[in-house]
Amino acid sequence: SQWGEENLQALSIQEGEDVTMNCSYKTYTTVVHWYRQDSGRGPALIILIRSNEREKRSGRLRATLDTSSQSSSLSITAAQCEDTAVYFCATDTEGADRLTFGKGTQLIIQP
Amino acid sequence: NAGVIQTPRHKVTGKGQEATLWCEPISGHSAVFWYRQTIVQGLEFLTYFRNQAPIDDSGMPKERFSAQMPNQSHSTLKIQSTQPQDSAVYLCASSLGLGVYEQYFGPGTRLTVL
Repeated sequence: SQWGEENLQALSIQEGEDVTMNCSYKTYTTVVHWYRQDSGRGPALIILIRSNEREKRSGRLRATLDTSSQSSSLSITAAQCEDTAVYFCATDTEGADRLTFGKGTQLIIQP
Repeated sequence: NAGVIQTPRHKVTGKGQEATLWCEPISGHSAVFWYRQTIVQGLEFLTYFRNQAPIDDSGMPKERFSAQMPNQSHSTLKIQSTQPQDSAVYLCASSLGLGVYEQYFGPGTRLTVL
């Protein structure tokens, strides 16, 4: 999980495997953003899921949102080497205008 | 569309010097955000503007950091009397709005304070 006082987490898997990253948030949110950040670049949005959605898919990506447990997940199916990046979740906690980012998960896909 | 532009990409300053970082948001975006990123703290919110007006600077260290948006095409983050602990990547992002709107990030400015 990305939230709280945890540091950047690291996950290493083999190419072709599936992977799931988790994110929990502290209070009510209307939306969860998932961003990926490649080395030397700024984060880029990959999927956004609203509080009235339980699941959202985009290609090999699948995001879920469980408002009762205040948690979200991002799954990547059949991971490829180019999926290697840091993945962040971000929420507009308590409907705030700005986003609060989790610590991130460093995902490394081994060939 | 060139995306969000940040200059310089790298800046090295001596302790006690001033650093000014520049951000050019995407044309037409009404919100501009500044973040600081370090390995230990992750992505920390600093401040944001909406339609050039400062809205929330709750993340800004009060004494030495200041941000301005004099016009819709650029924003600056100024750090006075830089300290080694200010070393970080400073990211600027812009968006069409707030909350559910996607934030588009620039490549960041890596500030190193010696």
